[in-house]
Amino acid sequence: EIVLTQSPGTLSLSPGERATLSCRASQSVSNNYLAWYQQKPGQAPRLLIYGASSRATGIPDRFSGSGSGTDFTLTISRLEPEDFAVYYCQQYDTSSRFTFGPGTKVDIK
Amino acid sequence: EVQLVESGGGLVKPGGSLRLSCAASGFTFSNAWMSWVRQAPGKGLEWVGRIKSKTDGGTIDYAAPVKGRFTISRDDSANTLYLQMNSLNTEDTAVYYCTRAFCTAGSCTQFDPWGQGTPVTVSS
Repeated sequence: EIVLTQSPGTLSLSPGERATLSCRASQSVSNNYLAWYQQKPGQAPRLLIYGASSRATGIPDRFSGSGSGTDFTLTISRLEPEDFAVYYCQQYDTSSRFTFGPGTKVDIK
Repeated sequence: EVQLVESGGGLVKPGGSLRLSCAASGFTFSNAWMSWVRQAPGKGLEWVGRIKSKTDGGTIDYAAPVKGRFTISRDDSANTLYLQMNSLNTEDTAVYYCTRAFCTAGSCTQFDPWGQGTPVTVSS
């Protein structure tokens, strides 16, 4: 089973700053089947990025994903007040299993 | 509008059973690959299992912690997904989300949208 590790656990930033979130896999993620989600308190997760770098419908272009193999990054170019949330990465492997990372909380400094 | 609405959550004793439902609307449910994902209180997301569409074989896959205890099924005529949970233990306490696989370029490896979730508490 592929294990995902996210860092940092918490990122304290101010609105307007750039956020860089990391997701590292214990083995190579096949075909870059790596997605990112945003979750706010009391809400369901929302898909942001799929295929490591493609934005989901309606996601602002300040969100971008990059990476391949075992190292992936979610970047928020300029934090807006509504971006303070928890972010999860998720992968799909060839044994038909999905796993999520433990999450990175982006909070207001 | 695409919508997923879960129901059936509640309080159950250890060793008990519960069946969750997810009513889908706004898309062709019979063509969709559907999953259940859970989130324990204050914890991260954990995939529970997935069922493919009947036209794609109807294959069902489960996460190791629930295999043999949980059963996913679907009723395409009712646009409803189910999760039958047996032999529940305290570690199954979580909010359970129903979600659809978002398919692109032949791969259905991410989830969108998600329902609002239904809480399950396993406690004596």
